[in-house]
Formats: sequence, structure tokens, C-alpha cells
Amino acid sequence: GQQVMQIPQYQHVQEGEDFTTYCNSSTTLSNIQWYKQRPGGHPVFLIQLVKSGEVKKQKRLTFQFGEAKKNSSLHITATQTTDVGTYFCAGSTSTGKLIFGQGTTLQVKP
Amino acid sequence: GAVVSQHPSWVICKSGTSVKIECRSLDFQATTMFWYRQFPKQSLMLMATSNEGSKATYEQGVEKDKFLINHASLTLSTLTVTSAHPEDSSFYICSAYLPGPGTETQYFGPGTRLLVL
Repeated sequence: GQQVMQIPQYQHVQEGEDFTTYCNSSTTLSNIQWYKQRPGGHPVFLIQLVKSGEVKKQKRLTFQFGEAKKNSSLHITATQTTDVGTYFCAGSTSTGKLIFGQGTTLQVKP
Repeated sequence: GAVVSQHPSWVICKSGTSVKIECRSLDFQATTMFWYRQFPKQSLMLMATSNEGSKATYEQGVEKDKFLINHASLTLSTLTVTSAHPEDSSFYICSAYLPGPGTETQYFGPGTRLLVL
């Protein structure tokens, strides 16, 4: 079946360092969405990418959608302790279902 | 953004009892809602698709007789975990679906943590 692979599973960085997580889908996606889940919390919607090659920025966060609409990345510049959490990508299929990646848990050392 | 609520947020029950979880879209109508389960340090796994006025569609490996889903109105879906056992302890999250041409989005509820003793 359809799969979305996300790497790395864990990332420990020093505050101020950059961070990137990558997603790769086995099939072409309708769109891709990114979520952040803090420990003990629920996934919170960050952004949706729809167009091939799309790049969107939210302050220190940069999201990219690949040309083939099968891969995506989230890059955080100059991480802060408030960035701690697990970042999930989720690929949307034509049926509306979301297929979640395994998530990347980010730890930031002050 | 759209708001989705879930009730209860926490539930502790004895093994063998049934637990009902409600998912409501507060400011929009959702003909489709999704139910997910998340075990500690794992990703969200889709359990079923809840369709208003029709039977839910379950993902492979999910027992439909154990996880009863009812989507009686355009703003409410319920998940009942029947005869709960300790292995059913998990974080259950619903989402309400907003369709769009390539921009379809799901809005997630805050989740329900179930602990079965």
C-alpha cells in the first residue's frame, strides 16, 4: 500500500543549529501537510503544500514540495527550545485520506 | 482555522467495559471524519473513515465490531471501544475533513487518552 517514509526518526541539536526532516512517498500525492506535536499534545497543523516545487516559509520554518509531488522537507533555521516536539508529514491522497510519516522528534539543547 | 472538539479528553476504565468518544466539528459541517490511534512514540495510524449517514470504512486489521463508529450528523461522529482491554489503551484522535480541489485538509481534535485497567 501507500507509504510515507520520514527521516530521521530523532534529531538532537544545539540551540541555534539548523534542523531538517525529510519525507518521501511511494506514490504521487495530492498535497502534503506538516504537523507538529508537542509531548502530551495532539498534532497541530502547520502548513499544506499543493503545487509541484512549492516552497513556503513561516518565520524560521521553510517547507518544500518536490517537483514530482512525492517528497517534501521541513527546514528550521537557528532552532530554539520552543521548537522541541515531533514533526509529522502527512501525504494526502485523492480519496482525502492522510498517510502519516513516522515523525521526527526534535530535541534542542539550550 | 476550523475547530474540532473531542470528549472526553481522558478516560480510565476497567477491562471489559465500553467507552464512547465523541468528535465534533464546531464551526463547519463534515460529511467525513477520520479516527486515528497513536501509541506512545509512534505515528498516527488511521483506524477508519466515518461517513455521515452511512457505514464507516475500516482500515485493514481494525475490528469493526470492537470499534463501533457512528456518524449520525454532519457535526458529530462517535467511536465506541467495546469490551475494552488493556491493549486498547492508546491516544485516540479524530479529524474532520474539508474537501477541496487538491487542497483537502483535515482538522484534528485534541485527542482522547484511554487507559484500560
